[in-house]
Amino acid sequence: KAGVTQTPRYLIKTRGQQVTLSCSPISGHRSVSWYQQTPGQGLQFLFEYFSETQRNKGNFPGRFSGRQFSNSRSEMNVSTLELGDSALYLCASSKDQGVQYFGPGTRLTVT
Amino acid sequence: AQSVSQHNHHVILSEAASLELGCNYSYGGTVNLFWYVQYPGQHLQLLLKYFSGDPLVKGIKGFEAEFIKSKFSFNLRKPSVQWSDTAEYFCAVNAPGNSGYALNFGKGTSLLVTP
Repeated sequence: KAGVTQTPRYLIKTRGQQVTLSCSPISGHRSVSWYQQTPGQGLQFLFEYFSETQRNKGNFPGRFSGRQFSNSRSEMNVSTLELGDSALYLCASSKDQGVQYFGPGTRLTVT
Repeated sequence: AQSVSQHNHHVILSEAASLELGCNYSYGGTVNLFWYVQYPGQHLQLLLKYFSGDPLVKGIKGFEAEFIKSKFSFNLRKPSVQWSDTAEYFCAVNAPGNSGYALNFGKGTSLLVTP
């Protein structure tokens, strides 16, 4: 069974721009969660989607948003990028309420 | 506030040494507990999990962890480490009745195993 895939793997953006990251979950998994990983803050929860609905949200500003499609694929968007948004963005999928399986991440660098 | 603490940020061991990584959490109520590992250049992988039942859980690659409810702890152990165990280890907790299934991670422990 294919794992969680994320595209693109690397991105370089300029401050003020916006970015969209994509995640394809494991087949049959309907829950998708997003996390931000930085050296200083570690792994922090952004949000979770289940059946196209945001079910849970972490403590991030409104510039961070997401959505889920009917095929369970998910995207997250960051608008008005700041230098501090440079991070590894991880997507995880699970069958509802089960173990979360992580993708390889998208490395975002904001210059 | 709910939090997860990993006691050791950096650990260096020789091959064949025993390993114990500490993890404590500050949640009330029912919790699910996890240890994830991130090998160099690879993505996060599940080592083991505890949902309920026997508090001593066994995971992949010879790792085990013990849930001690009274101590709010979920320490990771391995009797004899190998060079290939060099990685970053993360303890994670979720509290389904409280904050849903979002994982709250500790800051991680970087393990270096020397030959």
